[in-house]
Amino acid sequence: NAGVTQTPKFQVLKTGQSMTLQCAQDMNHEYMSWYRQDPGMGLRLIHYSVGAGITDQGEVPNGYNVSRSTTEDFPLRLLSAAPSQTSVYFCASSYGQGAAYEQYFGPGTRLTVT
Amino acid sequence: DQQVKQNSPSLSVQEGRISILNCDYTNSMFDYFLWYKKYPAEGPTFLISISSIKDKNEDGRFTVFLNKSAKHLSLHIVPSQPGDSAVYFCAARDPYNTDKLIFGTGTRLQVFP
Repeated sequence: NAGVTQTPKFQVLKTGQSMTLQCAQDMNHEYMSWYRQDPGMGLRLIHYSVGAGITDQGEVPNGYNVSRSTTEDFPLRLLSAAPSQTSVYFCASSYGQGAAYEQYFGPGTRLTVT
Repeated sequence: DQQVKQNSPSLSVQEGRISILNCDYTNSMFDYFLWYKKYPAEGPTFLISISSIKDKNEDGRFTVFLNKSAKHLSLHIVPSQPGDSAVYFCAARDPYNTDKLIFGTGTRLQVFP
């Protein structure tokens, strides 16, 4: 059981570039989510999904896109990177249908936008 | 406006003593709270949770207390160990959308020998 995996671990982008952060889980969890962590801001929810084909916005969705074509995968797309998107990104999953259940987090992707 | 607040950015405790991490919230509708622990370069891991119908929940060395009238919860670690040194995040389930969690800003705990 690999749990929640994220790739890449590190990424440097130039302003305006696009990229996809990958997230996969092998626990057959229905609920998946993306957070960003910034100094002094805690973890903020970007997007989440309660099952394949269903996604919804979190607290800070602007500039990001998600899709959920399978239970296992939940990629996060940066459409046109901006320096304000420099952050550490975490993907998480849980067996329950809501955020109240224990969420398992991936190791994170550190993104720098120059 | 921060709905879940952890006003102490850091805390230093001697090994074997009690660590008390505090969390305040603004919305009395919050009904479920969780604590996560995070080591550097790793993702957060779930520690313990509490429902608003309880005022205490224990799991080994970790106890969470909830004071609804004060809109305050605290995490007690007894006894503290050097391996507990990490950042601790308090989180509350959004009462208007139970698929969402609202996190505090975190408290860095250092346990020294």
